[in-house]
Amino acid sequence: AQSVTQLGSHVSVSEGALVLLRCNYSSSVPPYLFWYVQYPNQGLQLLLKYTSAATLVKGINGFEAEFKKSETSFHLTKPSAQMSDAAEYFCAVTTTDTGRRALTFGSGTRLQVQP
Amino acid sequence: KAGVTQTPRYLIKTRGQQVTLSCSPISGHRSVSWYQQTPGQGLQFLFEYFSETQRNKGNFPGRFSGRQFSNSRSEMNVSTLELGDSALYLCASSLTSGGGIPFSSTDTQYFGPGTRLTVL
Repeated sequence: AQSVTQLGSHVSVSEGALVLLRCNYSSSVPPYLFWYVQYPNQGLQLLLKYTSAATLVKGINGFEAEFKKSETSFHLTKPSAQMSDAAEYFCAVTTTDTGRRALTFGSGTRLQVQP
Repeated sequence: KAGVTQTPRYLIKTRGQQVTLSCSPISGHRSVSWYQQTPGQGLQFLFEYFSETQRNKGNFPGRFSGRQFSNSRSEMNVSTLELGDSALYLCASSLTSGGGIPFSSTDTQYFGPGTRLTVL
């Protein structure tokens, strides 16, 4: 079984400041990890994914995340926040264990960007 | 290429009724998964379909069911609706499927906008 913990249900940053959203995972087998973003009244959009290639993953809209096995973490960062980044962000995990694709999501972090 | 489409976008039902939601995957995608999103429970996996067969199922009661057609379109049905079934139901499509096939790094799930179900 796998699980994801997202620390901080709400994060507020100033425009231009560093964005850091935390995600820790638990998995008994090598995980695949994802970050999705959800804007109000919309579905989920993939930001980036880790699938055992490079540990530093670059995604869309200037976001990146680093897979750290020793810390079981996959934190999402962006050097400079923009107003348009305000949304809810979900970390998710699946594994290669069964080849099935059920994603296990964290509880989400709502990012607020202050002008 | 058009994205995942879900119909209807909004639905209001009363307790005890049943409801059917529809999902059309991205063209060429053969796997469809369904998720329920609620403020209390967050995002939870319902089931996945590939080649008209259910390949994986989450921990939901039998009132929740689904099917997939030969053109990969999928429907999910909820019978005997309860107040707690009020949620955003999200459909996701992906290019391949599990069931023994190695998970491909290209195998991302693409989500539709969801159907907002309100049970009164």
